[in-house]
Parts: sequence; structure tokens; C-alpha cells
Amino acid sequence: GAVVSQHPSRVICKSGTSVKIECRSLDFQATTMFWYRQFPKKSLMLMATSNEGSKATYEQGVEKDKFLINHASLTLSTLTVTSAHPEDSSFYICSASRGVRDTEAFFGQGTRLTVV
Amino acid sequence: AQKITQTQPGMFVQEKEAVTLDCTYDTSDPSYGLFWYKQPSSGEMIFLIYQGSYDQQNATEGRYSLNFQKARKSANLVISASQLGDSAMYFCAMRERVTGNTPLVFGKGTRLSVIA
Repeated sequence: GAVVSQHPSRVICKSGTSVKIECRSLDFQATTMFWYRQFPKKSLMLMATSNEGSKATYEQGVEKDKFLINHASLTLSTLTVTSAHPEDSSFYICSASRGVRDTEAFFGQGTRLTVV
Repeated sequence: AQKITQTQPGMFVQEKEAVTLDCTYDTSDPSYGLFWYKQPSSGEMIFLIYQGSYDQQNATEGRYSLNFQKARKSANLVISASQLGDSAMYFCAMRERVTGNTPLVFGKGTRLSVIA
């Protein structure tokens, strides 16, 4: 199967700072990437869909100015949590697809963000 | 409206026994895909099995099989010969229109505990 690499796996940051999370497709070109957020013992909630070369589509209730998504190339999407607060602490995970005809979704390893 | 329903928050199974994890779904799209993922405590999403809405036969992957009942809109996961390493969260997910640019929608998950 295809490989999606997410970095960092864990990050601790201070309130008010920004954190960037990277999601890379290592052996395929990802036209579309998805960002999910998972609270402890909860399900994965879709935050946004990012398409290479265009603006991300955010789900209702997700602040696009707080969660900046950039999909500048076919192998890299980034999620930046701006002015982080403790309530932003969560598990963030990305997934990627190889193309419109691809039914599979490949997931990164996830990033556990703790804001102190 | 909830699209994926997993009614079992937690399940216990004896080692070497089989266990069924329930999943029902709701969609009006004739083309969809159903997925099961395993999430251990590390957080990574491990793909287990996939069933397409037009697939005539139930999907099987090693010890995993998917009991697909289209009329009932159910896609239960059957794990045979449970192992201690099967203890994890299990998520059922659906992708509508079965293309790479639509996201997966997840159920709330079932925590499986395998007892020695």
C-alpha cells in the first residue's frame, strides 16, 4: 500500500504560539488530502479537505483562520494551528488519496498536540 | 443525521474465539465504499478491509471478513480466532461516491478487548 508520513508525531507548545503539522505522501501523488481531529476516546471528525493548488474546504464549525491548511504540492499538505490554546490539544491525523479513481484512503501516523 | 452507527462502545472476546463488531450506515448514494480500521493505542489507523457497494461477494482479508447486508445497510466486521493483539479501537467508515476526493465518515468506534 501507499505510504503517508505525518510529522511531528508529538508536539508540546505554549499557548499563543503556532504549530505546523506536515503530511507527506511518500510514494504517490496525492491530489486530495483530508485532515481529521480526534478527541480522546472519540471518533475522527473531518476538519477540512485540501486539494492541491486550491483553497481548502472546511467543515462547518472549523475556524479556517485558526487551522490554516496549505496543499502546495502533490506530495505535501500542512496544517498550521495558529495562536494555539489548550482546547486545541488533540490528535490530528491526515489521509490522502491517489486520485479521483482511488477508493482507498491512506493515513498518516497522526500528531498528538498538547498546548500548555 | 448520523451516517455510520456503531452501537457497541465496548466488546469483550475470549482469545481464539470469533467476534462480530456491528456497523450500520445510511446513504442515498448508490455508489459507496465501506471500510474498517483498527486503531491501537499508538493512534495509527490500520486499514483492515474494504467493501464496495457493487461488490457481489463479502470481502475477506485473512482473519477479517465483512458481513455485508446491503438491504439492511449493515457492514459488520467479523474477526475470527481473536488474538491478544487484536485489542484496540475499531472504526467503521463510509466513503460516498467512491472517489478519491470524498472523505471518509467514521462511526464512533468499538473498543475490543481480547481476554486470555
